[in-house]
Amino acid sequence: QKEVEQNSGPLSVPEGAIASLNCTYSDRVSQSFFWYRQYSGKSPELIMSIYSNGDKEDGRFTAQLNKASQYVSLLIRDSQPSDSATYLCAVNKPTLYSGGGADGLTFGKGTHLIIQP
Amino acid sequence: GAVVSQHPSWVICKSGTSVKIECRSLDFQATTMFWYRQFPKQSLMLMATSNEGSKATYEQGVEKDKFLINHASLTLSTLTVTSAHPEDSSFYICSPDLGLAGADTQYFGPGTRLTVL
Repeated sequence: QKEVEQNSGPLSVPEGAIASLNCTYSDRVSQSFFWYRQYSGKSPELIMSIYSNGDKEDGRFTAQLNKASQYVSLLIRDSQPSDSATYLCAVNKPTLYSGGGADGLTFGKGTHLIIQP
Repeated sequence: GAVVSQHPSWVICKSGTSVKIECRSLDFQATTMFWYRQFPKQSLMLMATSNEGSKATYEQGVEKDKFLINHASLTLSTLTVTSAHPEDSSFYICSPDLGLAGADTQYFGPGTRLTVL
């Protein structure tokens, strides 16, 4: 089983609709979960971080976490053409030597989202 | 978000040469730096974790003698690809640990695209 799995898409959503992106992870020890947006040729841009079960909202974005099901999702409301990008789900990669600081991240392959005008 | 710069933004080199990539944190001090690479159409993969003043820790499958990481100061980390080959062509991205204030919330540098001929 892959550590972080996402549907590669493309996922096509009409402008103004809700885009729903899903991600599952395999390591139950993981505690930190992130959604990044990546435009072609650019480095990832942090959209949302979530650490507790439930929903977390930030503007048009809502992240949902269910640790029991090992499932993370991202909802984008009122989708805009500028939201067209690849969305990467990332999970912290706990190690014995992190020394209490941040862990490196394990990424999914990303979902290519297309917002149709 | 945190300001991180990378230099160069892109580089083309001949097979067998070495290439140095610099990553600078401009507005904070980073005791830990993560280095990732991304092959075309693939997701980001953690290569190594470096701590200021100590040896880097490499992920499984990453050759430490080929990818030399130096983290001599809190604002500068370098990745040197030694004896580069075409299969090393990739997008290399650094990501600093923001420390307690930003634990587990990771930002990325703009990346360096390496092409080895």
